[in-house]
Amino acid sequence: DSGVTQTPKHLITATGQRVTLRCSPRSGDLSVYWYQQSLDQGLQFLIQYYNGEERAKGNILERFSAQQFPDLHSELNLSSLELGDSALYFCASSVGLAKNIQYFGAGTRLSVL
Amino acid sequence: AQSVTQLGSHVSVSEGALVLLRCNYSSSVPPYLFWYVQYPNQGLQLLLKYTSAATLVKGINGFEAEFKKSETSFHLTKPSAHMSDAAEYFCAVSDQGGKLIFGQGTELSVKP
Repeated sequence: DSGVTQTPKHLITATGQRVTLRCSPRSGDLSVYWYQQSLDQGLQFLIQYYNGEERAKGNILERFSAQQFPDLHSELNLSSLELGDSALYFCASSVGLAKNIQYFGAGTRLSVL
Repeated sequence: AQSVTQLGSHVSVSEGALVLLRCNYSSSVPPYLFWYVQYPNQGLQLLLKYTSAATLVKGINGFEAEFKKSETSFHLTKPSAHMSDAAEYFCAVSDQGGKLIFGQGTELSVKP
């Protein structure tokens, strides 16, 4: 158990809908990262928060947004969903930045039908 | 920009044989390098990391990797494969901000 909790484990929804994925980092970790894993794109970095503030953005679509709350949990919001958004979404957390180890949650599998 | 290339999307070895998974990186600054393993239907688990200390890094489950700056490589090895090593392995480089840039992954199969 990595200590990072992601909910829900599975999500099935329809095109055009909006969903929220939730992540609780390990106790004491200030940094939260979101990654998308798909067959065609592999593992891609989406966005990073550090102590409540956005730190870095990757190839995140404008339809996607995220935030980190004062209790350090994070949510990834995906809207106007398309078939191509079907993927495994991982959250990871670390104490700080750079060379710190990132601990990954078990992921949320999103299926858009 | 940093990048990682994993040579071979699929590697198959016999139980007891040497495991060698290849990773080459590109980075304009001294890199932080990681190997993660992903078992089916699970998240990623750290095997080992290189952060500019010893060039030979030992990880969990008998895995190790050697950082070779001249070859820009960080190959993962294990002397003797076990059936339980069957999984997907990802090499990653971290930028100064911490985000991980992953290779495409190598699926390791272990034959009895």
